[in-house]
Amino acid sequence: ELKVEQNPLFLSMQEGKNYTIYCNYSTTSDRLYWYRQDPGKSLESLFVLLSNGAVKQEGRLMASLDTKARLSTLHITAAVHDLSATYFCAVDMNYGGSQGNLIFGKGTKLSVKP
Amino acid sequence: SQTIHQWPATLVQPVGSPLSLECTVEGTSNPNLYWYRQAAGRGLQLLFYSVGIGQISSEVPQNLSASRPQDRQFILSSKKLLLSDSGFYLCAWSMTGAGEAFFGQGTRLTVV
Repeated sequence: ELKVEQNPLFLSMQEGKNYTIYCNYSTTSDRLYWYRQDPGKSLESLFVLLSNGAVKQEGRLMASLDTKARLSTLHITAAVHDLSATYFCAVDMNYGGSQGNLIFGKGTKLSVKP
Repeated sequence: SQTIHQWPATLVQPVGSPLSLECTVEGTSNPNLYWYRQAAGRGLQLLFYSVGIGQISSEVPQNLSASRPQDRQFILSSKKLLLSDSGFYLCAWSMTGAGEAFFGQGTRLTVV
């Protein structure tokens, strides 16, 4: 059974600081996705990581994937209040198959304070 | 471009009443379709997925059912709602063979 674990689950940061969210998964997969969810809203796709060593950056967020370690990181640089949200990683449990069933981590609730 | 529509946005239903949530996708054909549920303060749980018309797979035993009467239409139903069915329901689609899922706006269901 594929398990996806995120940590931390809650993160309170000060503006301007850096931090990293970790996503570990338990079985082989080369496809990992990061999503953002604002309170009461749906999920917005942030990053698609499709190979070992993949690195994607958008603004103050950078995501990477190490398939050998079964680990993805989401690094936050110089946090600002607008980044406050819940961040989910998701792993494709049917890699190579006909459907892309995603298994989600429990999410990291990020709060950026002045 | 592809878009996904999900309705209603909010729903309050009494225990024992039926449920029908609808989701449609535009701008693509033969998508994979998914229903997820998110309980308050928790992660997402995959309920159903479909790779084609009439093809439904269930991930967890539950009080709900799903149907796909048309290529780009996915419906979540229940004959009799339970209190435990309350939650945020999200419909999503992906391309066949691809994992990235795109989500609808969600339906917040409260069973009272």
